[in-house]
Amino acid sequence: AQKITQTQPGMFVQEKEAVTLDCTYDTSDPSYGLFWYKQPSSGEMIFLIYQGSYDQQNATEGRYSLNFQKARKSANLVISASQLGDSAMYFCAMREGESSARQLTFGSGTQLTVLP
Amino acid sequence: DSGVTQTPKHLITATGQRVTLRCSPRSGDLSVYWYQQSLDQGLQFLIQYYNGEERAKGNILERFSAQQFPDLHSELNLSSLELGDSALYFCASSAGGAGANVLTFGAGSRLTVL
Repeated sequence: AQKITQTQPGMFVQEKEAVTLDCTYDTSDPSYGLFWYKQPSSGEMIFLIYQGSYDQQNATEGRYSLNFQKARKSANLVISASQLGDSAMYFCAMREGESSARQLTFGSGTQLTVLP
Repeated sequence: DSGVTQTPKHLITATGQRVTLRCSPRSGDLSVYWYQQSLDQGLQFLIQYYNGEERAKGNILERFSAQQFPDLHSELNLSSLELGDSALYFCASSAGGAGANVLTFGAGSRLTVL
């Protein structure tokens, strides 16, 4: 079974509008972390936002917020006031457990295009 | 600049050859992770080292090996290369230990096998 599912291969949004990128996850571990990364066409992976499974409030970082719905096992990324520079591939990822083997498992990504 | 340095940025080689990719983690980070990104497989975790010791293994082929040296830099060795090994190889580092454990990625090494 897929641990991280991103069902939107591509999304379009008008500049200055908000957009939500979907992510659902699957784990039986009570302790986990959820991450979003951005990969522009230049190729680098840029960390955007983190949500821990025990965090009571949704994470926010500037124009990025994470809509964390634990019961539904979803961790959607919301980008407010989209900018042309937001056009990129966006990956949702999960870290399970508290062990020192703390690698991230990534979803297949969503290609976001911001239209002028 | 993320602070994670990967060399070389681009590499073109032939099938059957062997290459070494190098990674210097961000200052102070003890953990190094290697990921492979290809069009058909997406981002796949290969292997993790923490302070010189192997900590986790993912979908790493037997033809691939890695190590982390006492100065914490890491090398990923790819041998008997096949066309399907063409991919973007990322190194990432983290402080390790408790907490969010955000991985900081390098710019990647793009390998093309002809």
